[in-house]
Amino acid sequence: QLQLQESGPGLVRPSETLSLTCNVSGASISSISYYWGWVRQPPGKGLAWIGHIHSSGTTYHNPSLKSRVTISIDTSKNQFSLKLNSVTAADTAVYYCARDRGWFDPWGQGILVTVSS
Amino acid sequence: SSELTQDPVVSVALGQTVRLTCQGDGLRGSYASWYQQKPGQAPLLVFYLNKNRPSGIPDRFSGSSSGDTASLTITGAQAEDEADYYCYSRDTSGNRVVFGGGTKLTVL
Repeated sequence: QLQLQESGPGLVRPSETLSLTCNVSGASISSISYYWGWVRQPPGKGLAWIGHIHSSGTTYHNPSLKSRVTISIDTSKNQFSLKLNSVTAADTAVYYCARDRGWFDPWGQGILVTVSS
Repeated sequence: SSELTQDPVVSVALGQTVRLTCQGDGLRGSYASWYQQKPGQAPLLVFYLNKNRPSGIPDRFSGSSSGDTASLTITGAQAEDEADYYCYSRDTSGNRVVFGGGTKLTVL
């Protein structure tokens, strides 16, 4: 059964870089032609797509985040990662990773990242 | 525009039928998916490709789409269906993912 699990710091200081990793288990991240995506949800608000990466390494991200987003994939570790630089309080959110087949399923449990000094 | 519009709040009486809608140009010629999210939980896929229900999702959930509007219908709503529901689709470029603003469903 495919499962995803986010990991990373729960607290990031303003102007620094948020770094999260999504560990994939139950399937090889490189053997299946899917996208692997990141979605976030600010407290009390709706879902917002951050971006996704194909198993080939091709990436797309939400233009609203401009050039702050980097998504990478490590097939040797069966995981993919998110980096968001120059964070502000507006980046405080629960961050989810999910397999993207044109629809998101399954999802990780999510990780709350707070941006605060 | 690639935005998707959902009614913010909808209520339904226990056992009755409710239709949640999602509207936007991004739905024309593309597929919608629906997600159920309960407090403190990750979203759960409840419908995809407009008309497909994942295994484990009760058959009281059904989906449809026409033009710029996608719908999720719950026939015989149960107390456990009370949740936030989000629609989602890619925009016409095929790359940008758009979520609707979400509908808070209350089962009375």
